[in-house]
Amino acid sequence: DAGVIQSPRHEVTEMGQEVTLRCKPISGHDYLFWYRQTMMRGLELLIYFNNNVPIDDSGMPEDRFSAKMPNASFSTLKIQPSEPRDSAVYFCASSLGAYGELFFGEGSRLTVL
Amino acid sequence: AQSVSQHNHHVILSEAASLELGCNYSYGGTVNLFWYVQYPGQHLQLLLKYFSGDPLVKGIKGFEAEFIKSKFSFNLRKPSVQWSDTAEYFCAPSYNNNDMRFGAGTRLTVKP
Repeated sequence: DAGVIQSPRHEVTEMGQEVTLRCKPISGHDYLFWYRQTMMRGLELLIYFNNNVPIDDSGMPEDRFSAKMPNASFSTLKIQPSEPRDSAVYFCASSLGAYGELFFGEGSRLTVL
Repeated sequence: AQSVSQHNHHVILSEAASLELGCNYSYGGTVNLFWYVQYPGQHLQLLLKYFSGDPLVKGIKGFEAEFIKSKFSFNLRKPSVQWSDTAEYFCAPSYNNNDMRFGAGTRLTVKP
């Protein structure tokens, strides 16, 4: 398996623009997680899905953030409108079961100017 | 509240030195414990994990960790580090993946 695939790897955008980050989990994994990594706050769990259903989005910082998982092989994290403080590396991870090893993608580095 | 603390922000060692990175957590009940590693520019990878049984856990690349329940600690160790161990190390206790909380991370720099 190719592992968790994220795109884009790097995104530079201007404040106010919409940003969409994409994730393809490992085939067969039933849990998908979105994390944000910053120097100040470290790794934060934003939202996770189980069998494509959002279970807990309490980590989503604001209403500007939204995430979807239309099918088992694809998820998006959208920020609209983006702000400079959203600059971070966004990781997607998937696991088989709630106790399985988390497999992380390479991350999407977002810079909002 | 559940929390995890990694004592060292940045550790600098010479090759062949011994390594110990501290991790303390405040979770009630039975927890699972993980160490993840992030090499420069790469994603996080599982280094080792503890669910139950022998409190001394061996992971990849010669790393090990010891679970000391009475101290709420899960320190990571390696007897002799290599330059290729330069990375950031994250301790992560959890009941399950849904509430896994990562520590702030410890950056390890190994000088050749």
